[in-house]
Amino acid sequence: KAGVTQTPRYLIKTRGQQVTLSCSPISGHRSVSWYQQTPGQGLQFLFEYFSETQRNKGNFPGRFSGRQFSNSRSEMNVSTLELGDSALYLCASHFGGEPLNIQYFGAGTRLSVL
Amino acid sequence: ELKVEQNPLFLSMQEGKNYTIYCNYSTTSDRLYWYRQDPGKSLESLFVLLSNGAVKQEGRLMASLDTKARLSTLHITAAVHDLSATYFCAVDIIQGAQKLVFGQGTRLTINP
Repeated sequence: KAGVTQTPRYLIKTRGQQVTLSCSPISGHRSVSWYQQTPGQGLQFLFEYFSETQRNKGNFPGRFSGRQFSNSRSEMNVSTLELGDSALYLCASHFGGEPLNIQYFGAGTRLSVL
Repeated sequence: ELKVEQNPLFLSMQEGKNYTIYCNYSTTSDRLYWYRQDPGKSLESLFVLLSNGAVKQEGRLMASLDTKARLSTLHITAAVHDLSATYFCAVDIIQGAQKLVFGQGTRLTINP
């Protein structure tokens, strides 16, 4: 069974640009969550999508947005990039509704903003 | 605001020794998770703890949960080098949804 796939693995952008990251969840999983990991702030929740609807949102500015498609694949977009957006962005999927709610994480996209 | 605090944040130990990582959280939660992260890699799920007194064991790792004290522990028995990694605990604060709040992580280094 294939795991969570994130593309691209690495990105280099400059300030002011925008970026789109992609996440393909495990087959059959309906929920996709996004997290930002930085050395200073640790792992922080960005948002969660379930059946194409944003179900939860973390405390990030509106420059961070996302969406989910009918096949459960998700994209995350960051507009007007800032230096502080440099981070590892992790996507996680889970089936949705099961008692354990274990999230399975992808390998991440490492974004560097210059 | 929910806070999850781990200690210690850094731990260097010798092979064969035992040690415990602590995870405190500030509000009631349905589930507590432990994850492992190797350098440059993603997060690997280790344990999910659902109820007070829950104990899970896998190899040299054992996790427990005390919901009254809002405390979880990850105990390492007779450590081996392969267990060197960063360990995170996380709390799920919204029932049915997925919004994990993570601790800072404990970077564990096991020396031969």
